[in-house]
Amino acid sequence: DAGVIQSPRHEVTEMGQEVTLRCKPISGHDYLFWYRQTMMRGLELLIYFNNNVPIDDSGMPEDRFSAKMPNASFSTLKIQPSEPRDSAVYFCASSWRGQGNTIYFGEGSWLTVV
Amino acid sequence: AQSVTQLGSHVSVSEGALVLLRCNYSSSVPPYLFWYVQYPNQGLQLLLKYTTGATLVKGINGFEAEFKKSETSFHLTKPSAHMSDAAEYFCAVSPPYSSASKIIFGSGTRLSIRP
Repeated sequence: DAGVIQSPRHEVTEMGQEVTLRCKPISGHDYLFWYRQTMMRGLELLIYFNNNVPIDDSGMPEDRFSAKMPNASFSTLKIQPSEPRDSAVYFCASSWRGQGNTIYFGEGSWLTVV
Repeated sequence: AQSVTQLGSHVSVSEGALVLLRCNYSSSVPPYLFWYVQYPNQGLQLLLKYTTGATLVKGINGFEAEFKKSETSFHLTKPSAHMSDAAEYFCAVSPPYSSASKIIFGSGTRLSIRP
């Protein structure tokens, strides 16, 4: 079975540019999560969706960050404009409530803003 | 409120030695407990989890963990370390019968293996 698929795997962009990260969750999963991982702050939950509806975005750092889930098989995390402090690994993950809270992570999108 | 504490941000053991990674949690009810592993340049993957039933849980790659309610612990062990075990390990806790949105991850323990 295909796992959570993220793209791009690596992105280097200049400060001020728009960055869009994409995610395809595991088919049948009803929860989708966006996490950010940095050395300083560890793993942070940015936002999560349930049945394509954003439930909690309290972890989104600023208005520059936005996330959408137009359908059950696709989500985006957008940063506009990007700043060097946004450099991190962004993970998309999905889960199905019937699996005892197991979360399945993608390989991550490694973002560098210069 | 729940919380999880991993003791030791970095653990180094010799190949063939016992691996012990410590995790303590705080919860008002018996929680669900997880260990995830993150290999370099990869995402987190589930190593093992405890929900209910047997308190000794076996996972992939020879790892196991024991839920000890009296000690509020869920330590991860492996009898003999292998070079391929070098990775970051995360303990996590969530309320029972809730959604994965309630999972709280620890800060991680980096495991190094000496030849």
